[in-house]
Amino acid sequence: QVQLVESGGGVVQPGESLRLSCAASGFTFNNYDMHWVRQVPGKGLEWVAFIPYDGTNKYYADSVKGRFTISRDNSKNTLYLQMNSLRVEDTAVYYCAQASEGWGQGTLVTVSS
Amino acid sequence: QSVLTQPPSASGTPGQRVTISCSGSSSNIGSNTVNWYQQLPGTAPKLLIYSNNQRPSGVPDRFSGSKSGTSASLAISGLQSEDEADYYCAAWDDRLHGWVFGGGTKLTVL
Repeated sequence: QVQLVESGGGVVQPGESLRLSCAASGFTFNNYDMHWVRQVPGKGLEWVAFIPYDGTNKYYADSVKGRFTISRDNSKNTLYLQMNSLRVEDTAVYYCAQASEGWGQGTLVTVSS
Repeated sequence: QSVLTQPPSASGTPGQRVTISCSGSSSNIGSNTVNWYQQLPGTAPKLLIYSNNQRPSGVPDRFSGSKSGTSASLAISGLQSEDEADYYCAAWDDRLHGWVFGGGTKLTVL
């Protein structure tokens, strides 16, 4: 059974940093591409970042390019999202997702002064 | 504004069949597979359909997906009250190098 568990969310001030983690189990993590997707409560889904199974070519949404970094540690079955220079508009629930396997339960990031 | 276009709402009565459309372009739906996600109130999105028409184990066969050209559809037959949720389509976009979503369709069971 696929399980993705995010952690690391919280309340920070504008300009600060956070690192999200996503622990994967129930599937062969190192065979699968992964995504981070976010959702402002009550709004739609917004893709944030992508990393292929081998961690090579990464892609980012324009809204986070240059501020967020996606990475993975296949030896630990864990996906990461390093978020720097956070803005109020980054406030959302962040999900890790494997497109054809499933999503985590999400972790809330609140950026507020 | 979302890259993929879905109707904002849909409705049906119990037992009815409803369809939700998802329109894209040659760089996304036209050249990649489509997934559908169901989001019940207050919960995370759940994979409903992958690779255009494949159901993960545990998803009832009342749910089916199809794709033609640059459009895709989700059909729900034998509508039940527990199907009331938001539904999203998604596909990789080769031009944007990103995963694009529809704006979501809120399904109401009358």
